[in-house]
Amino acid sequence: NAGVTQTPKFQVLKTGQSMTLQCAQDMNHEYMSWYRQDPGMGLRLIHYSVGAGITDQGEVPNGYNVSRSTTEDFPLRLLSAAPSQTSVYFCASSSYHRGVNEQFFGPGTRLTVL
Amino acid sequence: AQSVTQLDSQVPVFEEAPVELRCNYSSSVSVYLFWYVQYPNQGLQLLLKYLSGSTLVESINGFEAEFNKSQTSFHLRKPSVHISDTAEYFCAVSVSGNQFYFGTGTSLTVIP
Repeated sequence: NAGVTQTPKFQVLKTGQSMTLQCAQDMNHEYMSWYRQDPGMGLRLIHYSVGAGITDQGEVPNGYNVSRSTTEDFPLRLLSAAPSQTSVYFCASSSYHRGVNEQFFGPGTRLTVL
Repeated sequence: AQSVTQLDSQVPVFEEAPVELRCNYSSSVSVYLFWYVQYPNQGLQLLLKYLSGSTLVESINGFEAEFNKSQTSFHLRKPSVHISDTAEYFCAVSVSGNQFYFGTGTSLTVIP
């Protein structure tokens, strides 16, 4: 299994540009989530999904959209990038219906907004 | 919402010395507790977890953590650290098993 994959690994955007961060998992996990990691702030939940067709907001959802059309994919869209969105973004997945399991994290996407 | 407090942002320790990384959480209800480790330029990896049962949990590389309900703590310990333990460590809490709340992290630096 490849586990959780994220693309791209690095991205530089200009203010106002839009883009999509890709996340895919091949473990048939129901639960997927997006976090951003900023120095001194740990990981903060942006959006999460408990299954295909179901998404919900986390702690810091503003400026981001998600969709979950398949179990495998959970893309994160930045609608109009702002410098405050400069961060490292992690996607994670876990098996939800079998109770609490560990979250498996992708390698991250380092985003810089100029 | 839950809150997770890791009071020590940076912990330097000499090789082969013991270390304790502190974690406190806010919930008064049953929780699931986790420690994750992040090596430079990598994603997070699960180190150990407490779901139920014995309050002392161990990892395969010598770390252990003890769940203390009365003090709402889940401190991480290792009796003798190695250079390879240098990393960022995150404590996390989940109440429902659905949403996870992370602490701000502790940077452990092992000094030769």
